[in-house]
Amino acid sequence: GQSLEQPSEVTAVEGAIVQINCTYQTSGFYGLSWYQQHDGGAPTFLSYNALDGLEETGRFSSFLSRSDSYGYLLLQELQMKDSASYFCAVIDAGKSTFGDGTTLTVKP
Amino acid sequence: DGGITQSPKYLFRKEGQNVTLSCEQNLNHDAMYWYRQDPGQGLRLIYYSQIVNDFQKGDIAEGYSVSREKKESFPLTVTSAQKNPTAFYLCASGEGTANTEAFFGQGTRLTVV
Repeated sequence: GQSLEQPSEVTAVEGAIVQINCTYQTSGFYGLSWYQQHDGGAPTFLSYNALDGLEETGRFSSFLSRSDSYGYLLLQELQMKDSASYFCAVIDAGKSTFGDGTTLTVKP
Repeated sequence: DGGITQSPKYLFRKEGQNVTLSCEQNLNHDAMYWYRQDPGQGLRLIYYSQIVNDFQKGDIAEGYSVSREKKESFPLTVTSAQKNPTAFYLCASGEGTANTEAFFGQGTRLTVV
């Protein structure tokens, strides 16, 4: 089976940098994706890592270490609109298994 | 505009009744997925389909059924056998079958009373 762990809540101030960690235990692994979900809305795709290393997309970056079964999402220059839930998802055999999500609160 | 449409946004049903949630996509994606989300939790996979006329059970398929008669459509039926059906249901689609990037609909919030 698959299990993922990520912190339930993170708080940061506007303009700061925040890192959301995700550790996983899986029977199979193809890659790790990250999604953002505002309250009551649809999750939206942020990034995907299949190989070790850092992927950068604007203010957001995602990192993967396959040997450590660990990844993180890095959000820079935080804005109020970044307040949302963030989910990591392990991809295997055409399916995604999601973590329980990290609620990020950005304060002025 | 291309996208995924789920309807209705809010749905109320009496206990013991079956209910069907609609999901349509015009992205020409091969794969489609149904997830359930409960408050404060992640998304759990109910069913998925990687090709027309074929689908597989996800992690929590009991009490649910699906069909994939057309590439664009993947309706989910919540049957009376589902013991706790009140939840937020999300449909998604993906290009190819790798599911590295999923596109989600706006969800249907089902309340069973």
